[in-house]
Amino acid sequence: DGGITQSPKYLFRKEGQNVTLSCEQNLNHDAMYWYRQDPGQGLRLIYYSQIVNDFQKGDIAEGYSVSREKKESFPLTVTSAQKNPTAFYLCASSRMTQYGYTFGSGTRLTVV
Amino acid sequence: QKEVEQDPGPLSVPEGAIVSLNCTYSNSAFQYFMWYRQYSRKGPELLMYTYSSGNKEDGRFTAQVDKSSKYISLFIRDSQPSDSATYLCAMSDGQNFVFGPGTRLSVLP
Repeated sequence: DGGITQSPKYLFRKEGQNVTLSCEQNLNHDAMYWYRQDPGQGLRLIYYSQIVNDFQKGDIAEGYSVSREKKESFPLTVTSAQKNPTAFYLCASSRMTQYGYTFGSGTRLTVV
Repeated sequence: QKEVEQDPGPLSVPEGAIVSLNCTYSNSAFQYFMWYRQYSRKGPELLMYTYSSGNKEDGRFTAQVDKSSKYISLFIRDSQPSDSATYLCAMSDGQNFVFGPGTRLSVLP
């Protein structure tokens, strides 16, 4: 079955560490997205990529970085510059914007 | 004014009730309208998809779009405890895609 796989499901980060969240899709979608979701809040766009080797900042890109070397993969790195990284991170992909997004199951990141 | 507004709830209803969830928006260019359901600690899943104005029905769910009022609704008939989730509206003009903040729904047995 086609879908989006996010790993790990839970991730713990020490202060000052960089961590990378994985997102892989086998839907053959061109566009991929990273969102952050905090308790009781909506989805906030971190980065998006509409094509391989190209990506754009979203609304809250500071302290995050991405790469898009393959169509199937869009990893997100949460750097030490992100001061409040504890959140639920969602990866999504789409064939075309008007058809909506398909989401992964999310990664819950906690700073310890 | 936010581009998409949605009452955050929480909304609590008894099992079997009819639920009405709503979003208003400001961009008249939106033509594609969606409702997503998100269970706790899971990713959102597409529930209903509607193009332009009108109604769409799928089982116990009905999506309505009124473009003249810039208002969309999701109705859930015979609500079940398994419908307890956060419901997010989403819309697109073909290029931009915007989510509402979501309404948390609890259906009490």
